[in-house]
Amino acid sequence: GNSVTQMEGPVTLSEEAFLTINCTYTATGYPSLFWYVQYPGEGLQLLLKATKADDKGSNKGFEATYRKETTSFHLEKGSVQVSDSAVYFCALRYNFNKFYFGSGTKLNVKP
Amino acid sequence: DSGVTQTPKHLITATGQRVTLRCSPRSGDLSVYWYQQSLDQGLQFLIQYYNGEERAKGNILERFSAQQFPDLHSELNLSSLELGDSALYFCASSEREASGANNEQFFGPGTRLTVL
Repeated sequence: GNSVTQMEGPVTLSEEAFLTINCTYTATGYPSLFWYVQYPGEGLQLLLKATKADDKGSNKGFEATYRKETTSFHLEKGSVQVSDSAVYFCALRYNFNKFYFGSGTKLNVKP
Repeated sequence: DSGVTQTPKHLITATGQRVTLRCSPRSGDLSVYWYQQSLDQGLQFLIQYYNGEERAKGNILERFSAQQFPDLHSELNLSSLELGDSALYFCASSEREASGANNEQFFGPGTRLTVL
């Protein structure tokens, strides 16, 4: 079946540190891949997406590359800020409309 | 503010009861999606409606049902509630039917359901 596995948190970093949140997926066919961010007390917001192999999604300094050979979509940012503290969800969209989300990774950035 | 509204914000009820959660999509959006976020199951897609018709079904229990009305607002009905139904329920909306690359979903703030 389809599933998404992402690294468990919380991840605690100092400001300006490099961030990697790992995400791997299992799917048949060719899913689209997404990263969503959830700030405290809010709903999810789309952060970035990639729809085919080797695509790189980027937004607000975050990047992720769709790697079909390793079935991965790791989220990276070169220099995190305190305002990046949130929960990050990796997700895949399969069969037109069905979404599968990872369990979420909480990021704490300390000044 | 995503433009998606959900009511109520919090709901506390007892086992065996029935509740209705309401969602109003962004202006102009025809698709509504429901998700359940719980500590043990994570975020799960439940169901999608487009312009009043069911379009996709995820891990939605038979005790749960949803509908989308002519004014495009949607309701999620949860019946015979169990302790394990305690969760945050999110609604999302998008402009079109298919969740394509340019058909972003906008999430509401959620309804927190507590079943005692």
